[in-house]
Amino acid sequence: QVQLQESGPGLVKPSETLSLTCTVSGDSMSGYYWSWIRQSAVERLEWIGRINSGGTTSYNPSLKSRVSISVDTSKNQFSLNLISVAAADTAVYYCARGNVDGDYYFDTWGQGILVPVSS
Amino acid sequence: DIVMTQSPDSLAVSLGERTTINCKSSQNVLLPSNNRNYLAWYQQKPGQPPKLLIYWASTRESGVPDRFSGSGSGTDFTLTISNLQAEDVAVYYCQQCYSPPRTFGQGTKLEIK
Repeated sequence: QVQLQESGPGLVKPSETLSLTCTVSGDSMSGYYWSWIRQSAVERLEWIGRINSGGTTSYNPSLKSRVSISVDTSKNQFSLNLISVAAADTAVYYCARGNVDGDYYFDTWGQGILVPVSS
Repeated sequence: DIVMTQSPDSLAVSLGERTTINCKSSQNVLLPSNNRNYLAWYQQKPGQPPKLLIYWASTRESGVPDRFSGSGSGTDFTLTISNLQAEDVAVYYCQQCYSPPRTFGQGTKLEIK
């Protein structure tokens, strides 16, 4: 059974870069899309972007200018970089797997990691 | 972006009762070529990630109890929970997967009366 685990710093300062990694265990990354989704205290769940094992990416237009997602299949990991963060980027960040039949819904999620943005 | 609006924002239901949560999309999410509604439902318990319950509007994910059911088409959808159990206390979200970016409803908090 596939499992996902987010890792990264527990605190990021305003204007700096938020960097997170998701480690995939129990299955190959091939054949799926892998997404980052965040959830703030006041906002609904927000899809950030996705990548497949071949490195093809797609981003939410609302964040596209600040986001990049990369993959390292040799380590079974994919990563999120969000530049120029502000307090509004404080959220729980989840990594998730899109369904195999086209990446429409998210069938597996990591536990999430809270990333406060504060000086 | 497709805006997903859920109602109510919260509700309290007695154990053993039946309840419904509604989700409305700002655009149609039914693809006529395959007659599939691109709508999913998730359950999120405190301190946990969302868990997939239903996809294609009415298909239960493996392992989800059959007291959870989904219905609707086009722009209006419903999640029904029958015989409410204590472990069903959670926030429920709908999500459209018809067009990017994927968007979620604001959530409906379900409590026990």
